[in-house]
Parts: sequence; C-alpha cells; structure tokens
Amino acid sequence: KAGVTQTPRYLIKTRGQQVTLSCSPISGHRSVSWYQQTPGQGLQFLFEYFSETQRNKGNFPGRFSGRQFSNSRSEMNVSTLELGDSALYLCASSLGRDWYGYTFGSGTRLTVV
Amino acid sequence: AQSVTQPDIHITVSEGASLELRCNYSYGATPYLFWYVQSPGQGLQLLLKYFSGDTLVQGIKGFEAEFKRSQSSFNLRKPSVHWSDAAEYFCAVGTILTGGGNKLTFGTGTQLKVEL
Repeated sequence: KAGVTQTPRYLIKTRGQQVTLSCSPISGHRSVSWYQQTPGQGLQFLFEYFSETQRNKGNFPGRFSGRQFSNSRSEMNVSTLELGDSALYLCASSLGRDWYGYTFGSGTRLTVV
Repeated sequence: AQSVTQPDIHITVSEGASLELRCNYSYGATPYLFWYVQSPGQGLQLLLKYFSGDTLVQGIKGFEAEFKRSQSSFNLRKPSVHWSDAAEYFCAVGTILTGGGNKLTFGTGTQLKVEL
C-alpha cells in the first residue's frame, strides 16, 4: 500500500512569506504528527492531529499551525517565515493508538532566503 | 521530562567490521524505544523498536539492539557492516501523551561512515 506522501518535496520561500505543507497519511491512518529537523535543534515534535483535532502541540511559536481534514490529510502552515525556519519537515502517520504503524514520510525541505 | 543521548556524533568503521551505536535515555516509566535510519535528504526508516519483553530485539537489515534498564541504554549493533549502511542513525524514546496520542523524542543522531 502507498506510504506517507508529503508535498512538495522542496520549497524556497522569502523571509516574511507564509508556506503550507501537505501530508497524506497511509490509508486507514487517522493520526498525523509533524516534526521539524534542523542541524542546530535536531528533530523536534511540532504537533499531532487525530480525527481533525489537534491533540498535542510541541514548544513552537504560534506562527506554526496545522489542520487535518476529514480524509485525514493534514496541512501545516508557517506564517511570517524566518531564516531559522529553514528545515526538513517530516510527518508521520499512524492508526492513532499506541505506536502501531507509526510511519514517516520523506519530508519537505523548506529553504527560507 | 524524557531525553535521549547519543554520545557519538560521528563513527567510522571499515566494511565488514562490527558496529555498536550508543544510546542512553531518561524516562520515568517503562520506555518505548526506537532506532531509525536516515539517508541524505530522506525521511526516517524504522530499524527496530522495543516495547516490552525480550530485551534483545531484532530489526531489519541485520541490526539488533539490547535494552538494559539498569544502564538506561538501548545500543544498536550489527555484526558486519556493509557500505550501504552509511547514513545517520537516530535513537528515540516514545511518550504516550495525556491527551491521547504520542510523540517521539530523538537523540542528536550518529553519522556513520563506512570505509571500503
């Protein structure tokens, strides 16, 4: 079956702009989690959505937001981009209970210039 | 709060040699432990995981890891490394959150270089 699909794979944005990233989970998975990976901070949890509701949020400013649709696809949005937002953004999908099937996508590489 | 330490930032081994990547964790309860591998520009691939039971777990690509509660460690091993194993390896501890759902807390990673 198809894996976790993230689009686009690469993005270049200008400081101050906003950006939207998309994540399509594995069929049947209802939970989508987002992580940011940077050379300086490593891999950090952003937030998790389940059945269109944000269940958990990491320690990120309000510029980072997300949502989940009824088909479990998720988007994350970053407003007023800063140079430090340049990162690989990874999403992971799962059934939503425990760790079964927790699978990562290939990520979206965001570069802010 | 949970945390993961990977003390080795870079490791270089010769092809065919054995490998051990170190991981120490801090977590109050019985931990959910994971090892992931990441090739350049790619996502994270799960190598193996430990939830409970047998402390020696087998994973994909010939990797294994041993959970040692007394040492708070979960080291990754492979008896004979192949050139294709060159990548970055991440240890992680999983947390079940009070609102439901879960999250992973990662170590800083170990970059493995394999010399031919």
